Formats: sequence, C-alpha cells, structure tokens
Amino acid sequence: AIQMTQSPSSLSASVGDRVTITCRASQGIRDDLGWFQQKPGKAPKLLIYAASSLQSGVPSRFSGSGSGTDFTLTISSLQPEDFATYYCLQDYNPPFTFGPGTKVHIK
Amino acid sequence: EVQLLESGGGLVQRGGSLRLSCAASGFTFSSYAMSWVRQAPGKGLEWVSSISDSGDNTYYADSVKGRFIISRDNSKNTLYLQMNSLRAEDTAVYYCAKKIGNTIYYNMDVWGQGTTVTVSS
Repeated sequence: AIQMTQSPSSLSASVGDRVTITCRASQGIRDDLGWFQQKPGKAPKLLIYAASSLQSGVPSRFSGSGSGTDFTLTISSLQPEDFATYYCLQDYNPPFTFGPGTKVHIK
Repeated sequence: EVQLLESGGGLVQRGGSLRLSCAASGFTFSSYAMSWVRQAPGKGLEWVSSISDSGDNTYYADSVKGRFIISRDNSKNTLYLQMNSLRAEDTAVYYCAKKIGNTIYYNMDVWGQGTTVTVSS
C-alpha cells in the first residue's frame, strides 16, 4: 500500500500568514492527490483535487501543487475560518490512503 | 442540493453485524462512484471501501476485507455497507462520500454528515 506522510503534524499561525503543508507519497502517484479540510465534529471538505485543481466554491487563497511523490497545499493569507485539520489523500491506487493530518492552530 | 444522508449506526457487540445506508439526492446517483470513509475517536481519516457507478467494481481496505461488503441500489439512490464480525477497532464515525467521477479513481467531493458505530467488548 502507498504510504502518505504529512509535515508538519501541527503548526501555529496568525491571521494573514502564508501557510504551507507538505504531503509525500511512498511511491509516485502522478497528480492523483486531493486535499481536505476538517473542522471538529464536521465532515471533511474537499479543497483541491488532481493535486492543483481548486474545488468549486473554495476560496482562491487555497492552492495545491506537485506531482509524483511531493505535494504542497498553500494558504496564501490565513483567515479565522481556516483553523482546522488538513489531510491529503492519494486516489492513484487502492487501498486509497490519507495522510495523518496537519492541525493548524491559532498563534 | 446535493446531499448524502447516512443511517444505521449504533451500538453493537463485538462479533456482531450492522448495515449502514447512505441515501443520495440532488444528483444522478447512478453516474458516480461512491466510497465509505471512517474516523475513529480522536484519530485521522481512514478509507474503507469504494464502488464504481454500476456496482461492478468494489475495493476494500485490508483492515475490513472479508468482513465488510459495499453495495449500491441505483434504483433507490442508496449506498450500503454491510459490516460483519465487528471488532472494537471498527468503532468510528462512518462517512459516505460521492466521487467526482464514475470510477473509483477520483477524489470525493460531497460527504454525508456521518453515522457513529460503536462496538462494545
């Protein structure tokens, strides 16, 4: 199975900060990667699919990049509603695997 | 409005069975692959199973293979997860999710609110 790692596991940031989260696959997965945001007690929300495509309705401050094994989610200017946990997911080959998550805290 | 509504969760004894349902509305259910994803208390997300639009192709996580069965009834716009031989480690919130396309090789763009399964020992 393809293993997904994320870094950092958590970070503290202020409103307006630029935030970058990294996801790495144990083998090449082309651009078959998505990013999700999850808030406590809520279902995950798709932000980015196919590594860099912005899901409809998602603010443009979110962007994704990468292919192969290394991927990045960037929030260009952190907003109060962005404090949440972020997960990557590879949909290249089953079993599909999520990263362990990155929790974004308020500084 | 595109919506997914899970039901069927509850408390079950170890070794028991439970069937989850996910009622879909607001989109052409038969045109999209579907998935189940779970989240144990305080833990991250875990993909459980996916099924193609027609139901012909199904895939499972190793942790549930041989115990869980995913199925769908396109005439009823409903996705199912039959869970057998339940273990304490199956305790989780179970989400159903719609894939962006008709095969399993797409990401998941719409999620239900989740249904809680608790396996007691």
